[in-house]
Amino acid sequence: KQEVTQIPAALSVPEGENLVLNCSFTDSAIYNLQWFRQDPGKGLTSLLLIQSSQREQTSGRLNASLDKSSGRSTLYIAASQPGDSATYLCAVGSSGNTGKLIFGQGTTLQVKP
Amino acid sequence: KAGVTQTPRYLIKTRGQQVTLSCSPISGHRSVSWYQQTPGQGLQFLFEYFSETQRNKGNFPGRFSGRQFSNSRSEMNVSTLELGDSALYLCASSPPQGSFTEAFFGQGTRLTVV
Repeated sequence: KQEVTQIPAALSVPEGENLVLNCSFTDSAIYNLQWFRQDPGKGLTSLLLIQSSQREQTSGRLNASLDKSSGRSTLYIAASQPGDSATYLCAVGSSGNTGKLIFGQGTTLQVKP
Repeated sequence: KAGVTQTPRYLIKTRGQQVTLSCSPISGHRSVSWYQQTPGQGLQFLFEYFSETQRNKGNFPGRFSGRQFSNSRSEMNVSTLELGDSALYLCASSPPQGSFTEAFFGQGTRLTVV
């Protein structure tokens, strides 16, 4: 049974810092991994999608890496801004034939001005 | 291009009642998945529909059901509501490729059971 863990559960940093959010999964036989952002009371916004054959994806100040063999993914946020404050969720898709995602509990990020 | 639309945004129901939530996927998307989000359990998969057929189901009681129409719009129904069903219900749609790719989520329906 796939389990996804995100550490830390909460993180507070001053504006301008570079930071790394961690995601680990127990079954390395994944199809893809997706990082999402969620603002309080809102839906999920897709940030980055990494297919199982890829090692990393980049979008602006965000970079996500994937190491299937060790069951880990990291989301790197460069030069953090107060607007980056949100909960970040990683989700694993285990098969190409289903939309089912297994989510971690999320990391709540606060970036202080 | 319009995103995933969920209606209504907020609902208050009484224990024992039933409720129907609606999800309109991104145009052209054929896969719709539903998730329940609570502070204690996080995001949990309910079920997925693809081309009007349930393709996968999570570990929820039979009170939770869904369906998908020919235009890919989906509804989920919860019967005999319990206090513990209070949650944010999210749906996601995915492009029509044969294999699953990126999921796009709606804003959710906040259900409160009193």
